[in-house]
Amino acid sequence: EAGVTQFPSHSVIEKGQTVTLRCDPISGHDNLYWYRRVMGKEIKFLLHFVKESKQDESGMPNNRFLAERTGGTYSTLKVQPAELEDSGVYFCASSQGFGTSGRVYEQYFGPGTRLTVT
Amino acid sequence: LAKTTQPISMDSYEGQEVNITCSHNNIATNDYITWYQQFPSQGPRFIIQGYKTKVTNEVASLFIPADRKSSTLSLPRVSLSDTAVYYCLVPPGSARQLTFGSGTQLTVLP
Repeated sequence: EAGVTQFPSHSVIEKGQTVTLRCDPISGHDNLYWYRRVMGKEIKFLLHFVKESKQDESGMPNNRFLAERTGGTYSTLKVQPAELEDSGVYFCASSQGFGTSGRVYEQYFGPGTRLTVT
Repeated sequence: LAKTTQPISMDSYEGQEVNITCSHNNIATNDYITWYQQFPSQGPRFIIQGYKTKVTNEVASLFIPADRKSSTLSLPRVSLSDTAVYYCLVPPGSARQLTFGSGTQLTVLP
């Protein structure tokens, strides 16, 4: 079974440009999450999809970030316009469920996209 | 959200057993304890999850005392390839997302 895949693995763009990151979750996983780690900081949650619906986007830093998941399959995360502080590693994860009665479903992470804004 | 505290780093030698302890004093009744592992240039990977006493799988064991205010991840006979960052997480029962702390950098030496 294929794991979570992310594309590209690395992107270098200039400040003000636009970048779109893509995530393909494990087939059959309705739950899809985006996280990021900026330099020297901890991995932080960005948002959560259940199928094509955004369940929680409380971690999105500002309106320069737009996530979509049309058809409930793959997801894209667009940064427009990119700023220097957006540099970091963006992780995507997927899971079959999201947990009940305290038990949290295992989230499967992709390898990440390293974004460098210059 | 239960705050977790774990050592920043640990060193070990190949073949030794490694125990990483995490404290979570304000864990709630319904919270589970979850551990993830992250290798360089990879995303985190689920290792083990438990609620109380002891849980064991092919990778590790998780020991949780009766008061559940701490937990210990035990890695038997580590090898160089176990060098990674290990995260202790206690997601609230209603949580959907994972909240990562700084983790413990385990370095296994030859």
